[in-house]
Amino acid sequence: DIVMTQSPGSLAVSLGERATINCKSSQSVLYSSNNKNCLAWYQQKPGQPPKLLIYWASTRESGVPDRFSGSGSGTDFTLTISSLQAEDVANYYCQQYYGSPRTFGQGTKVEIK
Amino acid sequence: EVQLLESGGGFVQPGGSLRLSCAASGYPFTNSAMSWVRQAPGKGLECVSVISGSSIGTTSYADSVKGRFTISRDNSKNTLSLQMNSLRAEDTAVYYCAKVRSGDYDAFDMWGQGTMVTVSS
Repeated sequence: DIVMTQSPGSLAVSLGERATINCKSSQSVLYSSNNKNCLAWYQQKPGQPPKLLIYWASTRESGVPDRFSGSGSGTDFTLTISSLQAEDVANYYCQQYYGSPRTFGQGTKVEIK
Repeated sequence: EVQLLESGGGFVQPGGSLRLSCAASGYPFTNSAMSWVRQAPGKGLECVSVISGSSIGTTSYADSVKGRFTISRDNSKNTLSLQMNSLRAEDTAVYYCAKVRSGDYDAFDMWGQGTMVTVSS
């Protein structure tokens, strides 16, 4: 199985400041057929299901604010929230869909400092 | 509007069985791969099983449930199911039904609200 490792486990950021979450996969998730990375990011707020933010490592899902961006390739990926808003307080998960089973990172809790 | 509505959760003793269902609407169900993802209380997400959108219905399972859980779909009823046998305490979780965005290998773009499964004596 592909192991996904997120860091940090939690972070506190001031409103309007940048938040950066890292995700590392135990093997490359680059799909050679389309040269895209099979990596997604999700946001989950308490009592709610996860919400897709980013897929193919850097494509923002429709309706997701542009302060959310994804980057990286191969085994190292980053989710950046450029200017943290109060409504961004949540848990964030990366996920690979290159191999089966699909696997998630352990999550990163983002709070307001 | 795309909707996924899970049902069938509840309380069951260890060793027991439970069948979860997910009713899908608002999109071409037949063409979409589907998945069950679970979340134990206070824990992270685990993809339990995926079934392809093709008529063959290729399936995959997490090692933790292989041989005990069976995913299936009824395209005539737009329904996804998860048959769970030999349940263990560690299977206690909220179970979400999720839709694969496109094809068989893609992100999960829609999620249901989840159904709680509690395994306890």
